[in-house]
Amino acid sequence: GDSVTQMEGPVTLSEEAFLTINCTYTATGYPSLFWYVQYPGEGLQLLLKATKADDKGSNKGFEATYRKETTSFHLEKGSVQVSDSAVYFCALSHSGNTPLVFGKGTRLSVIA
Amino acid sequence: GAVVSQHPSWVICKSGTSVKIECRSLDFQATTMFWYRQFPKQSLMLMATSNEGSKATYEQGVEKDKFLINHASLTLSTLTVTSAHPEDSSFYICSARSSDRGPGTGELFFGEGSRLTVL
Repeated sequence: GDSVTQMEGPVTLSEEAFLTINCTYTATGYPSLFWYVQYPGEGLQLLLKATKADDKGSNKGFEATYRKETTSFHLEKGSVQVSDSAVYFCALSHSGNTPLVFGKGTRLSVIA
Repeated sequence: GAVVSQHPSWVICKSGTSVKIECRSLDFQATTMFWYRQFPKQSLMLMATSNEGSKATYEQGVEKDKFLINHASLTLSTLTVTSAHPEDSSFYICSARSSDRGPGTGELFFGEGSRLTVL
């Protein structure tokens, strides 16, 4: 079945550091790929998405490129802020009435 | 954007009581909603798929008599935790997919989550 593997955390960075959170997937066909963010005590929010190979999703300074050849969707940000501290989930989904398949999540802590 | 609302956002109950959590899609119709459970510092575990007008489909290992799901309308699904026990304490999150926003993208919209604490 489909699966998502993302790097284990926690990841602790200083403010303005470069962030990379690795995500790889296994899936049949051509799924859509997502990064969701969960701030402390809150539900999940969509951060960015990509629906086909070579698409780049971007939002709030975060970027991720759908790489079919490496089955990856790594999340990057050039300069993190304390407010980026959260848990980040990589996920995939096929269209229709199929649920998201999540990675285990990566906790990011950014210190001033 | 599409909004999915959950209520209550947190609830504390005594062991043995039942708790109902509502999930509403506020500006779109959702024939299918999904219920997830999240344990502390862990990922989301899909519990069941809620289908409007029919029985929910439960994932392996999820007790359907324990977690009752009702999808009464195109905008409302409810999860009832029956005879709750401390091990049912968790963060429950619902989600839904809008057919008219990015059709075919597979994006899900999530509720804010409901934190259940069973004493």
